[in-house]
Amino acid sequence: GAVVSQHPSWVICKSGTSVKIECRSLDFQATTMFWYRQFPKQSLMLMATSNEGSKATYEQGVEKDKFLINHASLTLSTLTVTSAHPEDSSFYICSARDTGISQPQHFGDGTRLSIL
Amino acid sequence: GDSVTQMEGPVTLSEEAFLTINCTYTATGYPSLFWYVQYPGEGLQLLLKATKADDKGSNKGFEATYRKETTSFHLEKGSVQVSDSAVYFCALSKNNAGNMLTFGGGTRLMVKP
Repeated sequence: GAVVSQHPSWVICKSGTSVKIECRSLDFQATTMFWYRQFPKQSLMLMATSNEGSKATYEQGVEKDKFLINHASLTLSTLTVTSAHPEDSSFYICSARDTGISQPQHFGDGTRLSIL
Repeated sequence: GDSVTQMEGPVTLSEEAFLTINCTYTATGYPSLFWYVQYPGEGLQLLLKATKADDKGSNKGFEATYRKETTSFHLEKGSVQVSDSAVYFCALSKNNAGNMLTFGGGTRLMVKP
């Protein structure tokens, strides 16, 4: 089946550091990838949708300059949290969709980000 | 806009007990409905889905029936196991594949031996 790999699974870093999270589709080409944020004991909130080769579409209230998304290839999207602060600590989950609007989302295992 | 409401957790059950997690939705048109499961420290896995009214989705002993008249998609399992302990998310999508999802708040299930 379709596999989405997310890396790293857990990262702890100091305030002010920029952190990059990778999302890879291992056995299919993901024309669209989604980035979600999940606070403890809460649901997933869609942050942005990225299509390969074009700029990401951010949801209302998500800072584009804070959360940089790059989707340069059909198998890789990255989310960079720039100058991270403790309030950015959260669980970030990506999902990927194969070519074609009828294809389902496949989720990665998530990245736990802890900013000290 | 579209929304999904789930019963608040945690739901704590003994092994082999019957499980019901309520889910209702608000949406225009005819959405598809999904249940996802999230095990500790992991992403989401699709558990089951239903794409039209009266459809029943089932997987791993779990099932849910799409009830348009009550706008509900309650998750049930006849006999839960400790390994079912996880967070369950109800979601809807305007298309069958679920590639634009609206999630409910999630319900944590804890099964004790």
